[in-house]
Amino acid sequence: QQQVKQSPQSLIVQKGGISIINCAYENTAFDYFPWYQQFPGKGPALLIAIRPDVSEKKEGRFTISFNKSAKQFSLHIMDSQPGDSATYFCAADSSGNTPLVFGKGTRLSVIA
Amino acid sequence: DAGVIQSPRHEVTEMGQEVTLRCKPISGHDYLFWYRQTMMRGLELLIYFNNNVPIDDSGMPEDRFSAKMPNASFSTLKIQPSEPRDSAVYFCASSFFHAGDYEQYFGPGTRLTVT
Repeated sequence: QQQVKQSPQSLIVQKGGISIINCAYENTAFDYFPWYQQFPGKGPALLIAIRPDVSEKKEGRFTISFNKSAKQFSLHIMDSQPGDSATYFCAADSSGNTPLVFGKGTRLSVIA
Repeated sequence: DAGVIQSPRHEVTEMGQEVTLRCKPISGHDYLFWYRQTMMRGLELLIYFNNNVPIDDSGMPEDRFSAKMPNASFSTLKIQPSEPRDSAVYFCASSFFHAGDYEQYFGPGTRLTVT
């Protein structure tokens, strides 16, 4: 119940295309859903986060869509660029009472 | 702030040797986490501390692993004796939980290779 299931494991997208990464959870107590971005040789860094009181949050080319009834959330990267090539992790937390639960990660490659 | 600092950045050691990884969290943060990352298992939480007290060490794989946080600005993760299957990137992260925000700041990691 503590798991966050992330898909796909890897993704190849053409430059300018839309990258979509999906995550699903079971624990209805989760109320904070961040996405972390990790470049090779670096630690993960917070990219964008959402709380379940909204269904969508957009920051630049990055958008989180959240479906509370389906217990799913996704990251959309519009106009994907080669510089977006990284590993993306979704995560979930319940009011900071437990550590973030991370998905397994998605390796995104944006090719020109 | 310099962010989370980890040392060493790379460690190569022989099986059976003791390995000590070090972490300096961001000043003012009250949570500290140790993670291990491998291709096969992804990002695994090993242990975390709150106000220097270990809260959950259920992710520590074996008794060969131990972690300490003697003060708010320093933590160590020790592996004794090390084995080849311990080869991974070890991350330290810190956070300050306030107003519902729970961003974790990760260090650059220590790449451990056990031969």
